[in-house]
Amino acid sequence: DAKTTQPPSMDCAEGRAANLPCNHSTISGNEYVYWYRQIHSQGPQYIIHGLKNNETNEMASLIITEDRKSSTLILPHATLRDTAVYYCIVRVPNSGGYQKVTFGTGTKLQVIP
Amino acid sequence: NAGVTQTPKFQVLKTGQSMTLQCAQDMNHEYMSWYRQDPGMGLRLIHYSVGAGITDQGEVPNGYNVSRSTTEDFPLRLLSAAPSQTSVYFCASSYSVRGNQPQHFGDGTRLSIL
Repeated sequence: DAKTTQPPSMDCAEGRAANLPCNHSTISGNEYVYWYRQIHSQGPQYIIHGLKNNETNEMASLIITEDRKSSTLILPHATLRDTAVYYCIVRVPNSGGYQKVTFGTGTKLQVIP
Repeated sequence: NAGVTQTPKFQVLKTGQSMTLQCAQDMNHEYMSWYRQDPGMGLRLIHYSVGAGITDQGEVPNGYNVSRSTTEDFPLRLLSAAPSQTSVYFCASSYSVRGNQPQHFGDGTRLSIL
């Protein structure tokens, strides 16, 4: 099973770019990388996902290394509302061909005024 | 389009009581799942379903039962509540687990077992 490793916490100054790393060295060729965040005690919120190429949407950018063993989520101009726990997830297939999705402990991002 | 709806939002039970946490989605999603989240920990998968009539166990299934009689609903049952089941429970759904679609989460049920 592919697993992810993230730093437990990070700080970022308001208005600056927040770069959140994730290692997934055992990722398989057809597994996507997903990022979610959880603000306070709300339900997790989807941010972005990708397979090989870098991706960008209105919330963030996702940079995946060429060997796909790591990725970085970039919040270009962090605001106080971006303070949250960020989860990096890799889809994990099981023997039945279906995919369980499991979450780790994530990175707690604190945006500082 | 309400997304994923969980009820109740809060519940207090006594040890040994039973209850059902409700989860409904109106997006015609194939995949639904239940997670629990304990303080300081990530989400742990309890049970999941890839379609009506099909369920399977996740990481922490003991003490919980599920069923999926319709595409829309995926209730989680606690047959005999224990203090160790005090947690926040999240339900999630996605269009298809075989594709690359992301999951949509409900707002959670905060459950306390006394």
